[in-house]
Amino acid sequence: GENVEQHPSTLSVQEGDSAVIKCTYSDSASNYFPWYKQELGKRPQLIIDIRSNVGEKKDQRIAVTLNKTAKHFSLHITETQPEDSAVYFCAASSGYSTLTFGKGTMLLVSP
Amino acid sequence: NAGVMQNPRHLVRRRGQEARLRCSPMKGHSHVYWYRQLPEEGLKFMVYLQKENIIDESGMPKERFSAEFPKEGPSILRIQQVVRGDSAAYFCASSPPGLALTGEQYFGPGTRLTVT
Repeated sequence: GENVEQHPSTLSVQEGDSAVIKCTYSDSASNYFPWYKQELGKRPQLIIDIRSNVGEKKDQRIAVTLNKTAKHFSLHITETQPEDSAVYFCAASSGYSTLTFGKGTMLLVSP
Repeated sequence: NAGVMQNPRHLVRRRGQEARLRCSPMKGHSHVYWYRQLPEEGLKFMVYLQKENIIDESGMPKERFSAEFPKEGPSILRIQQVVRGDSAAYFCASSPPGLALTGEQYFGPGTRLTVT
C-alpha cells in the first residue's frame, strides 16, 4: 500500500518568514495530493490540493509543488502569520478515494 | 449547506462497553470515510462506504469494529467491547458522487472517544 512520509515534524518560524513542508510517497499510481490544516481540537480542513497532471498550484500565500519523478510534493506558505499556526497534513490517493496521510507538521508562527 | 456532522462530539465509555459513533455526510454526498487519529499522530484510514455498501475496509481492525451506511440515516461506526487503546478521535469525511475518484474529502468535527 501507499506510504507517505512528512518532514519536518515541527517547524518554528517568525511572522513574515516562509515555511516549507515536504512529503514523499511510495505508490507511483498516486495522482491526488491534498493538504489539510488542523487547528487544536478542530477538524482537518482542506487548504489546497494538486493532481498529477500539474507541477505547481498557487492560492494567495499558499503554493504546492509536485515532482512525480521523485515522488515528492511540498507545501509553501509565504508571509506567514500567527493564525497559520496549526498542524498541517499531507496526503496521497491513487484515485479510488482512500487517502493515506503523513504524520503531520506542527507549524508555530511567532509574532 | 451544512457540513459533515458527527455525534456525539465526546463519548466516554468503560472498558467492555459498546461505542456508537454517527456521521451525517454533507447534503448530496454519498461517500463516507472513517479515520482514527491518535494523539499527536496523523489520520489513519479505517473504512470507505457508499450507501448500503462497504467499498474498502482494509484499515479497520477485524474484530470488534464494524461500520454501516444505510439507505436512510447516518453512517455508524460501532466498536464493541472497547479497550483503552480505542481512545482516540474518530473523524468522518464525505465526498460527492462525482468526485469519488478524485479524492476530495470534507471532514466532520470528530468524536473524541475516551475509554476509562
